[in-house]
Amino acid sequence: NAGVTQTPKFRVLKTGQSMTLLCAQDMNHEYMYWYRQDPGMGLRLIHYSVGEGTTAKGEVPDGYNVSRLKKQNFLLGLESAAPSQTSVYFCASSSGFGAYEQYFGPGTRLTVT
Amino acid sequence: GIQVEQSPPDLILQEGANSTLRCNFSDSVNNLQWFHQNPWGQLINLFYIPSGTKQNGRLSATTVATERYSLLYISSSQTTDSGVYFCAVPGGTYKYIFGTGTRLKVLA
Repeated sequence: NAGVTQTPKFRVLKTGQSMTLLCAQDMNHEYMYWYRQDPGMGLRLIHYSVGEGTTAKGEVPDGYNVSRLKKQNFLLGLESAAPSQTSVYFCASSSGFGAYEQYFGPGTRLTVT
Repeated sequence: GIQVEQSPPDLILQEGANSTLRCNFSDSVNNLQWFHQNPWGQLINLFYIPSGTKQNGRLSATTVATERYSLLYISSSQTTDSGVYFCAVPGGTYKYIFGTGTRLKVLA
């Protein structure tokens, strides 16, 4: 049982390049989330999904797109990377919302130059 | 929306000391989690504790939901306890609100 995994662990992009971050969970969770963590800002929700085929915007969705084609995977895309997107990205999953525990992946450290 | 405040923001301890970290929240909640972010950046689940008290080794947590606070106790601290401790509660539609964290450094 691997829990929540993220690929890649580190990435450096040039401004304007695109990339996709992959999150996978093997706990059969319905809910999945993408957060970014910046110094002094805590964790902020980018997008989330309440089930296969669904996605919704969180607090800071601009510049990102997501897809949830399979229940176990949640993809975060950056179409045209900007230096402001330099951050650590965390994926999380839970069986429901509210009275349910969230489980986090190990994070992806992204630098945009 | 719900506000989450943690105190103290920073804490330095000698190995073996005990500490108490606090999480205050501004509205009633049905869930509260404590996480430890280690120096390598990993977020580790410590407790899922909407109310009552739980213990896991040297760590324990108490949530008093009616008074809107939770406490995390660390006893006989070790250098491996260093990192940032976050509490998080559900707030709004499918959004968890994280506190700004308590940064703990344990000195050998």
